[in-house]
Amino acid sequence: QQQVKQSPQSLIVQKGGISIINCAYENTAFDYFPWYQQFPGKGPALLIAIRPDVSEKKEGRFTISFNKSAKQFSLHIMDSQPGDSATYFCAARGAGANNLFFGTGTRLTVIP
Amino acid sequence: GAVVSQHPSWVICKSGTSVKIECRSLDFQATTMFWYRQFPKQSLMLMATSNEGSKATYEQGVEKDKFLINHASLTLSTLTVTSAHPEDSSFYICSARASGRRVSGELFFGEGSRLTVL
Repeated sequence: QQQVKQSPQSLIVQKGGISIINCAYENTAFDYFPWYQQFPGKGPALLIAIRPDVSEKKEGRFTISFNKSAKQFSLHIMDSQPGDSATYFCAARGAGANNLFFGTGTRLTVIP
Repeated sequence: GAVVSQHPSWVICKSGTSVKIECRSLDFQATTMFWYRQFPKQSLMLMATSNEGSKATYEQGVEKDKFLINHASLTLSTLTVTSAHPEDSSFYICSARASGRRVSGELFFGEGSRLTVL
């Protein structure tokens, strides 16, 4: 059973546009929601993360929006650049737990 | 951010041989490390949780006798794929959870190791 559902599977955005990736979860015990960026042949790198006590977190061009009641969170990439082309994974972890549950990934392509 | 080093980054071996992959946390201590397997264009699948000084905890369906994990120190965990077969070919990624004050709780990933079994 997929603990974290992610959409879309792939996304093509024009340079300068906004990329939006959505994730949903069911387990209300989750209290940490990171996003990872992965380039081909490389390990995932932590991009930005949020805890459920805030509804939004922004770091540069990257913003996480969190809707606790809907159990959804999303990543927004503003002014998308070709260098942002990568696979993005959302994830979730329960309080006191070690393990991260990953979404299925979104392959983002930003075209010049 | 914290650095996790994985070695080798790629390895090719013959069927039936064993391959060891190392995962090191370079600038922090990690009492817990994780090993993932990733198939092309798919998500990361947790294989096992490695705890320093104790036995690893394996996920359902992962053969512990085939994927040997050792976490001998606070900065090193190793994954040994024993008697490798072509179906074991995959991208193996480790991650470490920092236990120090600076980046406590965050998970940092290694660069991954691509194993190809001929």
